[in-house]
Amino acid sequence: QLQLQESGPGLVKPSETLSLTCNVSGVSISSSSFFWGWIRQPPGKGLEWIGSIFYSGSTYYNPSLKSRITLSIDTSKKQFSLTLSSVTAADTAVYYCARHERGGDWPTDSWGQGTLVTVSS
Amino acid sequence: QPVLTQSSSASASLGSSVKLTCTLSSGHRSYTIAWHQQQSGKAPRFLMKLGNSGTYNKGTGVPDRLSGSSSGADRYLTISNLQSEDEADYYCETWDSYTRVFGGGTKLTVL
Repeated sequence: QLQLQESGPGLVKPSETLSLTCNVSGVSISSSSFFWGWIRQPPGKGLEWIGSIFYSGSTYYNPSLKSRITLSIDTSKKQFSLTLSSVTAADTAVYYCARHERGGDWPTDSWGQGTLVTVSS
Repeated sequence: QPVLTQSSSASASLGSSVKLTCTLSSGHRSYTIAWHQQQSGKAPRFLMKLGNSGTYNKGTGVPDRLSGSSSGADRYLTISNLQSEDEADYYCETWDSYTRVFGGGTKLTVL
């Protein structure tokens, strides 16, 4: 059974870089049937897609965040990662890693439990 | 890119039915969407993907009480025999040419 587990610092200072990792278990991260993504949710607000990555390393990003985001994947470690640079208080959110189906349709079909990241000095 | 519009809130009585709506923007009426449920303090849960023909595929363990349907630009999630655990936020999602968007969510209150 698929499990997605986020890890990383819960507190980041303004202007610094946020780094999170998602560990994938129960399914091959290299499967061509899926790809992987990050989604965030500011406190009390809705969901915002950040970006997604294929096992090959191909990425696509939310245009509103593109200049500050880097996604990477390490298939040998069964994990993928997010870095978000120059953070501000507006980046305070619960960050979820997720799996997307890859076929005729691409829904998000599995979610990690989420990790709260607070941006504060 | 597509835009998804949802009502901010809905309410219905225990044991009754409710139909939540997600509306696709002009030019995107044929898109498939996904519905997700988020109970208070928990991660979202995938419920189903729903196409423009009304065909839907549910996630693992999603009760039979939940169903989907479509009409034009509207995608619906119907919950029958409402239970207390159905009280949650419901989000729709869609995707297009390497872009992914979510609706603003509907907060469902079970009375």
